[in-house]
Amino acid sequence: AQSVTQLGSHVSVSEGALVLLRCNYSSSVPPYLFWYVQYPNQGLQLLLKYTSAATLVKGINGFEAEFKKSETSFHLTKPSAHMSDAAEYFCAVTGTGFQKLVFGTGTRLLVSP
Amino acid sequence: ETGVTQSPTHLIKTRGQQVTLRCSSQSGHNTVSWYQQALGQGPQFIFQYYREEENGRGNFPPRFSGLQFPNYSSELNVNALELDDSALYLCASSYWTSGKNEQFFGPGTRLTVL
Repeated sequence: AQSVTQLGSHVSVSEGALVLLRCNYSSSVPPYLFWYVQYPNQGLQLLLKYTSAATLVKGINGFEAEFKKSETSFHLTKPSAHMSDAAEYFCAVTGTGFQKLVFGTGTRLLVSP
Repeated sequence: ETGVTQSPTHLIKTRGQQVTLRCSSQSGHNTVSWYQQALGQGPQFIFQYYREEENGRGNFPPRFSGLQFPNYSSELNVNALELDDSALYLCASSYWTSGKNEQFFGPGTRLTVL
């Protein structure tokens, strides 16, 4: 079975500050890991994905994440927050083959001026 | 390239009714998955269709059913609606190939059951 745990349902940062959103996974097979962003009243947009290549993954909008097997973590970071980053962020895991995505409960990022 | 589209955008039904939600996959994709996202929660996997056959199912009762058509569009049908079925229903399409588990999501259909 696979699962992800997102620590912190809400994260608040100031504009220009570092963004760190935490995700820990559990998987009985080598995982593929994803971060999605959801803006109000919209669907999910893929930020980045880890598929067993480079452990440091760069995504869109300046986000990146590092896969750490020893810590079973896949935390999302951005050096400098922008007001437009305010949204809900979901970490998700899947294995190879069958493409069911298992999502975390989400972290709402709040960015203040 | 056309993205994933869903219809309708919003829908209001009463308990006990039946509903059909529709999804058009992204061009070139042959797999469609449906997810239910309750308010304040992450999406939950309902089922997946590949080449018009169900290819996996989450923990949802049989009154949730689906179809995939030859053009890879899809429907989600829910019978005997319950209040707890109120949620955002997301469709995601992908091209089936191992190691490329990237799913592209539509904007969703918000279902309200009264």
